[in-house]
Amino acid sequence: SQKIEQNSEALNIQEGKTATLTCNYTNYSPAYLQWYRQDPGRGPVFLLLIRENEKEKRKERLKVTFDTTLKQSLFHITASQPADSATYLCALVNYGGSQGNLIFGKGTKLSVKP
Amino acid sequence: DADVTQTPRNRITKTGKRIMLECSQTKGHDRMYWYRQDPGLGLRLIYYSFDVKDINKGEISDGYSVSRQAQAKFSLSLESAIPNQTALYFCATSDPGRAWGYTFGSGTRLTVV
Repeated sequence: SQKIEQNSEALNIQEGKTATLTCNYTNYSPAYLQWYRQDPGRGPVFLLLIRENEKEKRKERLKVTFDTTLKQSLFHITASQPADSATYLCALVNYGGSQGNLIFGKGTKLSVKP
Repeated sequence: DADVTQTPRNRITKTGKRIMLECSQTKGHDRMYWYRQDPGLGLRLIYYSFDVKDINKGEISDGYSVSRQAQAKFSLSLESAIPNQTALYFCATSDPGRAWGYTFGSGTRLTVV
């Protein structure tokens, strides 16, 4: 069956360190993968998109990698700050039954301690 | 004003009642979606619409119906609410044919008692 898994429900790190979140998928061949940030009680906010032919994408302190052989994306936040504390969701386009709609992982809750 | 507006923000309703959640957008996007979010289950797709005349069921459409009144408006109805429909509901839009992110509303927290 098709699955999107984010490796941990929660990740605690110290301010200033690099946070690395993992997204693995099985039985998909996504054209692209997206990452979102979600704060409690709010809707997800789009951060980055990476295409299947891109190895890496950066935006300010954020970096995303995409390995279609490993079926894995890594999401990095460098020089993390307490304000980065949130839940981060990965999502990919399912070209199966839902005709190209986004399918989301369950998210990883990141806590950055001062 | 927000790009995607959902009303109400919070709602408590009784089992068996009909309830409508509304969504409007100013993005000019053709595609609109309804998701529900439950702790431990993540975001799951209920219904989606690629344009005013195109409505499709998502992963968990049973017990729900939708109406696309205009390009900018997409409503979700629970015909007879039940307690396991207690959840956080999100509306979202996207630009067709472009691999950009979805724009989500702030959500409606629905409690069925």
